[in-house]
Amino acid sequence: AQSVTQLDSQVPVFEEAPVELRCNYSSSVSVYLFWYVQYPNQGLQLLLKYLSGSTLVKGINGFEAEFNKSQTSFHLRKPSVHISDTAEYFCAVSSRTGSARQLTFGSGTQLTVLP
Amino acid sequence: DTEVTQTPKHLVMGMTNKKSLKCEQHMGHRAMYWYKQKAKKPPELMFVYSYEKLSINESVPSRFSPECPNSSLLNLHLHALQPEDSALYLCASSQIIGPLSGANVLTFGAGSRLTVL
Repeated sequence: AQSVTQLDSQVPVFEEAPVELRCNYSSSVSVYLFWYVQYPNQGLQLLLKYLSGSTLVKGINGFEAEFNKSQTSFHLRKPSVHISDTAEYFCAVSSRTGSARQLTFGSGTQLTVLP
Repeated sequence: DTEVTQTPKHLVMGMTNKKSLKCEQHMGHRAMYWYKQKAKKPPELMFVYSYEKLSINESVPSRFSPECPNSSLLNLHLHALQPEDSALYLCASSQIIGPLSGANVLTFGAGSRLTVL
């Protein structure tokens, strides 16, 4: 079975400071990893994904993540955050069951950007 | 604007009511999903339809009844719900890339917020 752990439930950071949101996964097969963002009272929006190839993945809104197989991690980073980045961030791993695929989400990290 | 459209955005219902949530996508995706999300929690998978056939049912109570009339539409029929069923219900869709591929890029709708009184 595949699973995802987000160690930090809340991350407060000042505006224009760098931020890292941590994600670790466990899987016995090839992994496909994702970061989604959820703004208040909205659905989930894909930030970035790792399917194969380069381990450094760039996404929308200036975010990037690095896939590290030896450390089984997929941490999300941004060099300078804005107030508008305040949201809930979910790391997720994809798995296949029969002919269908499903996402398993981590518990989420609330990023709060302070002025 | 999201490419997965959910209606209604908000729904309030009593425990004896029958209502439905609707989801539509026009991206040609062949897999559609219902997730349930409680406040401050991650989404939890309820149902997966693959090629309009129910593929995964995560042991959801029978008071939730999914329906997939065609590849673009997904409904969730609600009957005799309990107050603890109050949550944000998220619909999503994805391409089926190939039988050996585990990649799964889901596109989510904005959700339907359900309140059961």
